[in-house]
Amino acid sequence: EPEVTQTPSHQVTQMGQEVILRCVPISNHLYFYWYRQILGQKVEFLVSFYNNEISEKSEIFDDQFSVERPDGSNFTLKIRSTKLEDSAMYFCASSELGSKLAKNIQYFGAGTRLSVL
Amino acid sequence: AQSVTQLGSHVSVSEGALVLLRCNYSSSVPPYLFWYVQYPNQGLQLLLKYTTGATLVKGINGFEAEFKKSETSFHLTKPSAHMSDAAEYFCAVSDWAQKLVFGQGTRLTINP
Repeated sequence: EPEVTQTPSHQVTQMGQEVILRCVPISNHLYFYWYRQILGQKVEFLVSFYNNEISEKSEIFDDQFSVERPDGSNFTLKIRSTKLEDSAMYFCASSELGSKLAKNIQYFGAGTRLSVL
Repeated sequence: AQSVTQLGSHVSVSEGALVLLRCNYSSSVPPYLFWYVQYPNQGLQLLLKYTTGATLVKGINGFEAEFKKSETSFHLTKPSAHMSDAAEYFCAVSDWAQKLVFGQGTRLTINP
């Protein structure tokens, strides 16, 4: 069964460093998303991406964050200068192009646990 | 703005007992509602969804949920718990705007 894959599974970084979290969405999907879950808190929407541009972003997604689809398969989330509060599990998701319903059925990866020291 | 409230961050039931995980939502438009499950070290897996039509929806692994508009609820049930059901369960709502709004999650523990 097709799945969303995320690498690495765990990333440890020093405060102030840049990190790039990588995702390979399901191959025929054209909508991509990032969510995050701080330990003990809700899963929160960060950003959605379609046709090489951001469709929607939350207030969490400030200038420190950026997303990119550098080639036909990868979808990345970059955090330019990490802060302690960026420590969280980051989930990538994708959905199909099509009906309104299809766009809302999102398939998630296993997540990348980011630890900022 | 939409929101989801899951009552009970931790639910514990005996194997073979009824599982009931509660979810209430708030939405200004007819919602799409979802239940996701997360097993340890895995991603969020879609259990079931409500869009339109029949208010009782069936999902994978014997789970089902009923959309009750008057109660703004979408509770998840399973008649008989199995040890393999132990996981974290998330209720989510969408207003068609391509983002999901999640509840806090409920950790389900199954006692032998």
